[in-house]
Amino acid sequence: EPEVTQTPSHQVTQMGQEVILRCVPISNHLYFYWYRQILGQKVEFLVSFYNNEISEKSEIFDDQFSVERPDGSNFTLKIRSTKLEDSAMYFCASGERLTDTQYFGPGTRLTVL
Amino acid sequence: QKEVEQDPGPLSVPEGAIVSLNCTYSNSAFQYFMWYRQYSRKGPELLMYTYSSGNKEDGRFTAQVDKSSKYISLFIRDSQPSDSATYLCASIPSGGYQKVTFGTGTKLQVIP
Repeated sequence: EPEVTQTPSHQVTQMGQEVILRCVPISNHLYFYWYRQILGQKVEFLVSFYNNEISEKSEIFDDQFSVERPDGSNFTLKIRSTKLEDSAMYFCASGERLTDTQYFGPGTRLTVL
Repeated sequence: QKEVEQDPGPLSVPEGAIVSLNCTYSNSAFQYFMWYRQYSRKGPELLMYTYSSGNKEDGRFTAQVDKSSKYISLFIRDSQPSDSATYLCASIPSGGYQKVTFGTGTKLQVIP
């Protein structure tokens, strides 16, 4: 069964450093998403991406964040200058159609020291 | 007011029990309703996906949506220890928006 994959599973970085989290969505899906979950809190929407552009973003997704689909298979989330409060699980998700359900990857645990 | 609210639990039941998990929501625009299961430090795994009001059954799982009262339920029959996880209810509004709004999740423990 096809699945969303994410790398790395755990990323440790120093405050102020740039990180790139990588995702490979399900191959025939057209809609891509990033969510985050701070430990003990709910899963929160960050951004959705379709047709090579952002279609919706939350107030969390400020200028420090960017997303890119650099080729036909990868989808990345970049945090330019990490803060302590960026420490969280980051989940990538993909969906085939606009109102289709979203399938989540296993997540990348980001720890900012 | 939180858009999707759940009792965080934990909820402990004996193996074989019927489990009832519930959510309320406040946004009248929500049209699509999902239940996800999340094991510790893993990604949410889709269990059920329904559109608007009504019931949907899949094996031991039944999802119910009552839009008039803004109430979402998940029933698990013959619960198993492997069902022990956090259950997240979630919604998407109509109008082509893609943002999934999650509840905080209810932690379920099924005791053998």
